[in-house]
Amino acid sequence: GAVVSQHPSWVICKSGTSVKIECRSLDFQATTMFWYRQFPKQSLMLMATSNEGSKATYEQGVEKDKFLINHASLTLSTLTVTSAHPEDSSFYICSASPLFLESSYNEQFFGPGTRLTVL
Amino acid sequence: EDQVTQSPEALRLQEGESSSLNCSYTVSGLRGLFWYRQDPGKGPEFLFTLYSAGEEKEKERLKATLTKKESFLHITAPKPEDSATYLCAANSGNTPLVFGKGTRLSVIA
Repeated sequence: GAVVSQHPSWVICKSGTSVKIECRSLDFQATTMFWYRQFPKQSLMLMATSNEGSKATYEQGVEKDKFLINHASLTLSTLTVTSAHPEDSSFYICSASPLFLESSYNEQFFGPGTRLTVL
Repeated sequence: EDQVTQSPEALRLQEGESSSLNCSYTVSGLRGLFWYRQDPGKGPEFLFTLYSAGEEKEKERLKATLTKKESFLHITAPKPEDSATYLCAANSGNTPLVFGKGTRLSVIA
């Protein structure tokens, strides 16, 4: 149980294009999903907290207009990197916390990640 | 400000050589301490949650323990397949998890 999927697993795009990454909780519902970014040999950096039916909460320094987050249902959140540039190349990982847990900020289950390369 | 510090940054063990990874935390009102394993190019895999000092949890060759200031991940007789980065994270309630930078473990056959 508690499986989270991401699609695509990797993507290569040209500079200036937009890329959408999907995060799905497969066997549970989640009111809250999280989006992280990870550079090589570094830890996870939280980008934003995605809440179903409301606007995402972005961490300081993360551009809202560049990283668009939509949490359309209790099992799906999407991250769109708009007008991507080479510096946006990174490993993007989502996580979700099951609805039945007391707090959405407790146990999180992570997706397998999406490797984005912007040429 | 909540902080999580992991040590060592990297650890190299011979197969069968037991050791411990450390996670020190400064969190006001700890609600949970989490351990994850991350393989290269993959998302973190959930291992354990610890909620209160004195709590211990085991899974195969791994045992996690918690005190009021730190947590240890003990690895008994490790195998090469235990090689990975181990991440520790803490939570103080309705705030996002605070992650440490991880310990890169290499187990040599």
